[in-house]
Amino acid sequence: EAGVTQSPTHLIKTRGQQATLRCSPISGHTSVYWYQQALGLGLQFLLWYDEGEERNRGNFPPRFSGRQFPNYSSELNVNALELEDSALYLCASSSGMSSTDTQYFGPGTRLTVL
Amino acid sequence: RKEVEQDPGPFNVPEGATVAFNCTYSNSASQSFFWYRQDCRKEPKLLMSVYSSGNEDGRFTAQLNRASQYISLLIRDSKLSDSATYLCVVNRGSTLGRLYFGRGTQLTVWP
Repeated sequence: EAGVTQSPTHLIKTRGQQATLRCSPISGHTSVYWYQQALGLGLQFLLWYDEGEERNRGNFPPRFSGRQFPNYSSELNVNALELEDSALYLCASSSGMSSTDTQYFGPGTRLTVL
Repeated sequence: RKEVEQDPGPFNVPEGATVAFNCTYSNSASQSFFWYRQDCRKEPKLLMSVYSSGNEDGRFTAQLNRASQYISLLIRDSKLSDSATYLCVVNRGSTLGRLYFGRGTQLTVWP
């Protein structure tokens, strides 16, 4: 069974640009989560989507946004990139049957902002 | 106070050693608990869920003490391949969905 996939693997942008990151959940999973892991910091929760709706949002500015498509894949958009946005962005999925379901992570997109 | 606190280590142990990691969580409403493992520059991978009765998976034993809001992971007979960062993870359930991660405990097993 295929796991969570993310693209691209690496992304290099300059300050002020926009970045789009993509995630495909495990087949049958309806919930998608986004986390940021900056160097030396723990994983910080960004967004949770389930059945196409945004269910919860972490303590990040509005320039971090996303959406979930009818096939449950998801996109994270980061506008007006800042140097501090450089991080590993991880997507996770769960079955959505329970809010305490196990979350399985994709390999991440490493975003570098120059 | 952080939601999940872990001793960052690093722990450096020889092969065959037994090592224990501890973790505390601040919210008594937390509902589910996990240990994830993260190798350098890779994604976190689920090591095991943690149940109130304690659970074991081969060389790994996890314990949960709800009264003390304390979670532990014991690794017996350490292998070189156990070298990684171990993340203590808590889910408060309800409508939050999100996971709360500790900063991780780094383990290096040397030959």
